[in-house]
Amino acid sequence: AQSVTQLGSHVSVSEGALVLLRCNYSSSVPPYLFWYVQYPNQGLQLLLKYTTGATLVKGINGFEAEFKKSETSFHLTKPSAHMSDAAEYFCAVSAQAAGNKLTFGGGTRVLVKP
Amino acid sequence: ETGVTQTPRHLVMGMTNKKSLKCEQHLGHNAMYWYKQSAKKPLELMFVYNFKEQTENNSVPSRFSPECPNSSHLFLHLHTLQPEDSALYLCASSQGSSGSTNEQFFGPGTRLTVL
Repeated sequence: AQSVTQLGSHVSVSEGALVLLRCNYSSSVPPYLFWYVQYPNQGLQLLLKYTTGATLVKGINGFEAEFKKSETSFHLTKPSAHMSDAAEYFCAVSAQAAGNKLTFGGGTRVLVKP
Repeated sequence: ETGVTQTPRHLVMGMTNKKSLKCEQHLGHNAMYWYKQSAKKPLELMFVYNFKEQTENNSVPSRFSPECPNSSHLFLHLHTLQPEDSALYLCASSQGSSGSTNEQFFGPGTRLTVL
């Protein structure tokens, strides 16, 4: 079985400040990890994913995430927040041996203050 | 059309109505999914279809009836819904083959309001 925990259901950052969203997972097999973003009244859009290889993954809109196996974490960061980053962010885990399902975290809503 | 499309984008219905939600994927995928997203609740997986066959039903009430006539189309038939069924209904698709990463591509959703 797999699970995902996102620490903090709401995060508030100032424009230009670092964005850090935390995600921890559990998986009995090597995981595939994803971050999705959802803007109001829209579907989920893939930001980035880790499958194999380099543990630092770069995505769209200046976001990146680092897979740390020893910490079972896949935290999402962006060096400088922009007003357009205000959205809800979902971390998800999957595994080749676990069928074709994604297990999502509860989401973190990001508010960007001017 | 590209990606995953959903119609209608907004739907208001009474508890005695019958309506259907439609999803179409233009990605050549073999797996399709229905999710329910309610305010202040985690994303809930409702149904999974692989190669047109239903492979998962997460204890969804029978007033929701899915249909997958082919790998590109997925429907959710609704009847005698309750106000608590008001939510954003998201459709997604993925490659679905063994060895894939299970990356899912989402549609924009249908915002359903049950009066």
